[in-house]
Amino acid sequence: TQLLEQSPQFLSIQEGENLTVYCNSSSVFSSLQWYRQEPGEGPVLLVTVVTGGEVKKLKRLTFQFGDARKDSSLHITAAQPGDTGLYLCAGYRNQGGKLIFGQGTELSVKP
Amino acid sequence: KAGVTQTPRYLIKTRGQQVTLSCSPISGHRSVSWYQQTPGQGLQFLFEYFSETQRNKGNFPGRFSGRQFSNSRSEMNVSTLELGDSALYLCASSLRVPAIEQYFGPGTRLTVT
Repeated sequence: TQLLEQSPQFLSIQEGENLTVYCNSSSVFSSLQWYRQEPGEGPVLLVTVVTGGEVKKLKRLTFQFGDARKDSSLHITAAQPGDTGLYLCAGYRNQGGKLIFGQGTELSVKP
Repeated sequence: KAGVTQTPRYLIKTRGQQVTLSCSPISGHRSVSWYQQTPGQGLQFLFEYFSETQRNKGNFPGRFSGRQFSNSRSEMNVSTLELGDSALYLCASSLRVPAIEQYFGPGTRLTVT
């Protein structure tokens, strides 16, 4: 059983389109992170959200943490080919004391 | 500041052999975590070290072990390799514990034949 469920698993869109990736759980997390990973490289931390309802923007990327701190979303506006990669959400629970990763969303943005 | 470095980047081993992977964290980071990444299972937590002590351990068999040195560098060892151990092994460092924000190295791609 995956503690963090990401959807969709795969997404192929055209340059300029908008998209949203979801990260859901039945558990509460004290914080949630989003990472982006390119082939042959390790994940790169994009953002950390810690407060329920929090919204953070990073250029064309908007991250939201659910009010109940059980879910999160990543919205990309006007996607570009450079956004292509594997997007991973990761949640930290005080119980257990470790980061738990979702399965990832493979995004492909075609020119 | 240099990022997390992992050596070697690529490794091919035979079933039954053992392997040691190395990780140097970002300077000043004292927490090091190890993950196994496979297409089917995604990123799975192996263990975390802080100040040379294992803080946390994932659900992997005892063939997987690790250690951390006084300079925060870490090694992980896999003994009696199995085909299913083929994966990308990622090391991540964090400035403090709990290791909420982690910075990953490029990984070691291990292929077991």
